[in-house]
Amino acid sequence: GAGVSQSPRYKVTKRGQDVALRCDPISGHVSLYWYRQALGQGPEFLTYFNYEAQQDKSGLPNDRFSAERPEGSISTLTIQRTEQRDSAMYRCASSTDRGPYEQYFGPGTRLTVT
Amino acid sequence: AQKVTQAQTEISVVEKEDVTLDCVYETRDTTYYLFWYKQPPSGELVFLIRRNSFDEQNEISGRYSWNFQKSTSSFNFTITASQVVDSAVYFCALSRETGTASKLTFGTGTRLQVTL
Repeated sequence: GAGVSQSPRYKVTKRGQDVALRCDPISGHVSLYWYRQALGQGPEFLTYFNYEAQQDKSGLPNDRFSAERPEGSISTLTIQRTEQRDSAMYRCASSTDRGPYEQYFGPGTRLTVT
Repeated sequence: AQKVTQAQTEISVVEKEDVTLDCVYETRDTTYYLFWYKQPPSGELVFLIRRNSFDEQNEISGRYSWNFQKSTSSFNFTITASQVVDSAVYFCALSRETGTASKLTFGTGTRLQVTL
């Protein structure tokens, strides 16, 4: 079946602009996660949802970052007033809500803030 | 707090050599999960294995094997008879056992370069 999809795959934006990154999880996966991966580093957790409920947003770096999943399927990560330090690969993953909880990752969105 | 350390930043081997990637973790939890992911040059993250902290049996899958030692908090990954296609960055990760979905804590990765 189809894997996790993310769009856009690449986004170049100017400092100060808002961006919205989209994630479409594997069909039937009720848990959805957002991670950020800087160059040469491992992914770092941002937030996750079970169905439409945001269960943990402890990894969001500041209040310019927000995420939603209104219907329990597609999720949007929004970054307001982007800064150059926001440049990174943003990855989405999904899993079932029962064990064994393997997370399957999408291809990522490469964000570049100029 | 949870932490994963992959001390080997980069490893270079010649094809057909065996190679072991080290992973050491820290957690206060008594139950947890450990994972390995592969990130090939194309950039995607590919799930390789999940291990429950209760299960210390080593696992073998083809040329891949994993050695989990709770006493030393290590979960090492060995590739036997490496091939050029094994060239990638490999990440070890840790999650809590909460009875529901849980975030992954990743190490910084080990870049493996396999040459002819």
